[in-house]
Amino acid sequence: QVQLQESGPGLVKPSETLSLTCSVSGGSIRSYYWSWIRQSPGKGLEWIGFVYSTGNTRYNPSLKSRVSISVDTSKNQFSLQLTSVTAADTAVYSCARGPSSDWSPFDLWGQGTLVTVSS
Amino acid sequence: QSVLTQPPSVSEAPGQRVTISCTGSSSNIGAGYDVHWYQQLPGRAPKVLISGKNNRPSGVPDRFSGSKSGSSASLAITGLQADDEADYYCQSYDNSLGGSWVFGEGTKLTVL
Repeated sequence: QVQLQESGPGLVKPSETLSLTCSVSGGSIRSYYWSWIRQSPGKGLEWIGFVYSTGNTRYNPSLKSRVSISVDTSKNQFSLQLTSVTAADTAVYSCARGPSSDWSPFDLWGQGTLVTVSS
Repeated sequence: QSVLTQPPSVSEAPGQRVTISCTGSSSNIGAGYDVHWYQQLPGRAPKVLISGKNNRPSGVPDRFSGSKSGSSASLAITGLQADDEADYYCQSYDNSLGGSWVFGEGTKLTVL
């Protein structure tokens, strides 16, 4: 079955750029929407943004100025970049499939990876 | 603070029924957008439990059900079992401030 796996540095310095990759295995990345979602310690889940397999993107308005999500269909991967990070960006970052519409859920999730922002 | 409000925790004995509420507003649940529920077992990735109008993915028992009224939604679990102990999250779409998919802060279910 389709599985998602996040990878990337677990520690990022303040003001630097957080970069994560999600590898999709067991199925094609094509024709789906792919999202990044994070959960800060003691807080709820926050949708960061999505990329469609053609490269179209949409971002959370609260993070839009700092976020970039891209897709590499040849590697069956998609990636997140979050610039100018602060301690408030410390969170577990998860990749997920979806949503395909305003009414759709995120139907498949990765395990998540903890990213700590600290000097 | 999340856009959707859930109680931090609920607890109930095995075999009993428990409900988890999810309160939103006129820009999300009250606007008619579907509410989805996720279960996150300890150390595991979240999985869809209820999608939209009480749709259960294959493998989810009918002990789990969802409902919606106005700007609120609820997840009901009947015949509680020990392995239902998990974190539960609601999720919807919010059309304010440019639009975004939004979640509740999660509810920790303890089976006594």
